[in-house]
Amino acid sequence: AQTVTQSQPEMSVQEAETVTLSCTYDTSESDYYLFWYKQPPSRQMILVIRQEAYKQQNATENRFSVNFQKAAKSFSLKISDSQLGDAAMYFCAYRSRNTGNQFYFGTGTSLTVIP
Amino acid sequence: GAGVSQSPSNKVTEKGKDVELRCDPISGHTALYWYRQRLGQGLEFLIYFQGNSAPDKSGLPSDRFSAERTGESVSTLTIQRTQQEDSAVYLCASSFSTLNTEAFFGQGTRLTVV
Repeated sequence: AQTVTQSQPEMSVQEAETVTLSCTYDTSESDYYLFWYKQPPSRQMILVIRQEAYKQQNATENRFSVNFQKAAKSFSLKISDSQLGDAAMYFCAYRSRNTGNQFYFGTGTSLTVIP
Repeated sequence: GAGVSQSPSNKVTEKGKDVELRCDPISGHTALYWYRQRLGQGLEFLIYFQGNSAPDKSGLPSDRFSAERTGESVSTLTIQRTQQEDSAVYLCASSFSTLNTEAFFGQGTRLTVV
């Protein structure tokens, strides 16, 4: 089965600064999707950004962007101009085509934003 | 409804009792997932339903856990003879089966076994 690794259990960033959250994954597939989800204290998981494996161009959504390195199986999330509302748990996820489109999640990174 | 709905939001039960958690997915979503999230931890996969295919039960931690789904509608997760280590938030998600679509999550059921 595919595995997703987030090696940073906790991160902190000063308000208005930039922070990068790391994610690596293990797969033998060539076609898949990657996602970053945010989970604030309300528990509601919210999609932040997604990346198609066949696209070389990195996905961006406003202040959120990814650095997708397919050969290295790396998928980091960059948050620019951090805001207090960005404080949350962030989960990296991989969606497999070969195992019934199953989602695999990392263990999460807790992001603190310092005013 | 517009989103994934889970009930109850919170459940406190006595050790040894059975509990049933409900998930109402987004209409048209063929895939449905159950995850367990212990306090401060990541998402632990429990079970996955895809249309009328046999469910992937590989994540169920013991035979006290079972889940059902009728067609592409409501799913129930049942925990029998609850133990204190079952205390967690149980998250349900649904999605279309196509690869490029994300999973939409409910707000979870917080289960506390006392």
